[in-house]
Amino acid sequence: DIVMAQSPDSLAVSLGERATINCKSSQSVLYSSNNKNYLAWYQHKPGQPPKLLIYWASTRESGVPDRFSGSGSGTDFTLTISSLQAEDVAAYYCQQYYTTPLTFGGGTKVEIK
Amino acid sequence: QLQLQESGPGLVKPSETLSLTCTVSGGSISSSSDYWGWIRQPPGKGLEWIGSIYYSGTTYYSPSLKSRVTISVDTSKNQFSLNLSSVTAADTAVYYCARDSDGSGTPGGWLDPWGQGTLVTVSS
Repeated sequence: DIVMAQSPDSLAVSLGERATINCKSSQSVLYSSNNKNYLAWYQHKPGQPPKLLIYWASTRESGVPDRFSGSGSGTDFTLTISSLQAEDVAAYYCQQYYTTPLTFGGGTKVEIK
Repeated sequence: QLQLQESGPGLVKPSETLSLTCTVSGGSISSSSDYWGWIRQPPGKGLEWIGSIYYSGTTYYSPSLKSRVTISVDTSKNQFSLNLSSVTAADTAVYYCARDSDGSGTPGGWLDPWGQGTLVTVSS
C-alpha cells in the first residue's frame, strides 16, 4: 500500500494569512506515461461529506475558490490556502489514486488563530 | 447533477452483517467512465477507503477488509450496496458512498461527489 503522511496534524492561521498543508507519499504517484500525479485533496467540515478541491495534484475542481491551490510532484505535495477565510475552517485530506488500495493522509485540521 | 444517498440500519449487533445501499440519481451507474465506492470514517479518525465496483460487477477491495466485504451493483435500480460481515465495535463509523473516477474507466480515481454519509453503530 502507498502510505500518505500529512503534516502538520493541525494549524492555526490568522484570517487573510496563508495556510500550507503538506502531503508525502511512500512512493511516487507520478505516472510517467502521461506525466500526471495521481493525487487529490479534499476539504471536510463536520456534519458534511468531504468535498473534492483538487485532482491531478494541481487541477482545481469547478467552483472551488482560486485561493486554494495544489502543487508538487512525485512524492511531495502541498495544498495552499492563500488567504484564509472563516469558511475554510475544516479538516483537509490528501488521497492517492495511483494504485489500489486508495489511501488517504491522516488529515490536517485548519483553525483560525 | 449527480447525487448519491446512503441508506440502511444505523445500529448493527456485533458479529452480524452491516448492509448499506447507495442510490445514485442525476446520472447512470452504468457509466463506462466510473467506478462507485464506499469509504468510512470512524469517530475522531481519518478516512478509510473500503472498496469500489464497476457497473459490470468488477470489484476491488481494501486488503485489510477484503475477507469481510462484499460490494454489489443493481443497475436496474441505479444502486450499489455494501455488506460487511462479522462486525465489531471497531466498525462503528460514518459510511459514505462516492463516485470513484478519473474519467478513464479504470480502477482508482478521485472521489466525487459523496453521499451525505450515514452513521452505523455496532453495539448490542
